[in-house]
Amino acid sequence: AQTVTQSQPEMSVQEAETVTLSCTYDTSESDYYLFWYKQPPSRQMILVIRQEAYKQQNATENRFSVNFQKAAKSFSLKISDSQLGDAAMYFCAYRQATQGGSEKLVFGKGTKLTVNP
Amino acid sequence: EPEVTQTPSHQVTQMGQEVILRCVPISNHLYFYWYRQILGQKVEFLVSFYNNEISEKSEIFDDQFSVERPDGSNFTLKIRSTKLEDSAMYFCASSRLAGAAKNIQYFGAGTRLSVL
Repeated sequence: AQTVTQSQPEMSVQEAETVTLSCTYDTSESDYYLFWYKQPPSRQMILVIRQEAYKQQNATENRFSVNFQKAAKSFSLKISDSQLGDAAMYFCAYRQATQGGSEKLVFGKGTKLTVNP
Repeated sequence: EPEVTQTPSHQVTQMGQEVILRCVPISNHLYFYWYRQILGQKVEFLVSFYNNEISEKSEIFDDQFSVERPDGSNFTLKIRSTKLEDSAMYFCASSRLAGAAKNIQYFGAGTRLSVL
């Protein structure tokens, strides 16, 4: 079974600084998708960024980028120029890519990010 | 921007009672999901639903649970006889596609279920 581990329950960063959130996963599959979701307090989870495992290039979305190390099964999220609105719980998630396979997301426990002014 | 809507935001019930958690998925989505998160633990998959039937369910989703799309817009999760350990945040999600890189699951804000 696939597992996702986020080893940092909480992180903090100064506004305008850069922070990296860690995520490791375990799978025997060669093709899969990885996601970072953000959940602000009392709000829905929204997708921040996704990575397709067969793509070597790291995904980027504006101030958000990932460091995808397939051999190490590591998928960290870097937030540059942190803003107060980035404060949230961040979840790393995995999904199979097998055609006709499971669509379920497997989540880590989350990292609570605090942004200090 | 379209959103997944869940009601109520907080539900309190007595052990043994039935509860129905409601979700309105995004209108052109075809795949629906329920997840739950017990306090301090991981978000866990419960069930996925497509074409009016369950497409996948986890070990957690036992006979106490059922899902339904009663009217083409709502997607409900029913727990027949709640237990203390059912206390959790329940998230509904929907997606337009499946089996593709572009299958993005959109989540609601969740319903916090408290079983007393």
